[in-house]
Amino acid sequence: QKEVEQDPGPLSVPEGAIVSLNCTYSNSAFQYFMWYRQYSRKGPELLMYTYSSGNKEDGRFTAQVDKSSKYISLFIRDSQPSDSATYLCAMLGAGGTSYGKLTFGQGTILTVHP
Amino acid sequence: DGGITQSPKYLFRKEGQNVTLSCEQNLNHDAMYWYRQDPGQGLRLIYYSQIVNDFQKGDIAEGYSVSREKKESFPLTVTSAQKNPTAFYLCASSTRTGFTGNQPQHFGDGTRLSIL
Repeated sequence: QKEVEQDPGPLSVPEGAIVSLNCTYSNSAFQYFMWYRQYSRKGPELLMYTYSSGNKEDGRFTAQVDKSSKYISLFIRDSQPSDSATYLCAMLGAGGTSYGKLTFGQGTILTVHP
Repeated sequence: DGGITQSPKYLFRKEGQNVTLSCEQNLNHDAMYWYRQDPGQGLRLIYYSQIVNDFQKGDIAEGYSVSREKKESFPLTVTSAQKNPTAFYLCASSTRTGFTGNQPQHFGDGTRLSIL
């Protein structure tokens, strides 16, 4: 079983839709959670970073963390064609073998069509 | 502009050949990392370095080697022992790996390595 599970999609939505992207994890040592966006043939770009359970909002993006269920989500409101990319969740541990080392989900391919 | 520069963007390797991928950063970051990305598998850590002249194996280090002689540079060599080298290689850096605050990793734009 992988430490981080992410549905690879692909996910296709119309412009203006609300997008929900999700990851589950099994390692209780994970304490820090990130979402990266990766355009084709480019490196991942940090979108959101959080370390506490609850919601964190930044413009059209909301990151949600539920540590008790080991589940994180990224919501994109009013999605745009420019949001079409691969979205990667990533987690980092505060101790043990996962200390200081990012573990990534497989990535979800998102397409927003006009 | 500050950032991470990876070169070349595309690289081809012949059988039995070693190739070296370059990664340079001008962010004054202490820590640097190499990841491999394969379709449908996310990113996997190859090696990381917290300070100059020190580096640690990641989850898939076999067939790879690194050096960290300068803070700005962390080259990755893909040796002939790596039997399946075709992948997208990403270099990243951060202020340090020890986690005491907001220390995300920032990535370069990758090198795509293929076998001839």
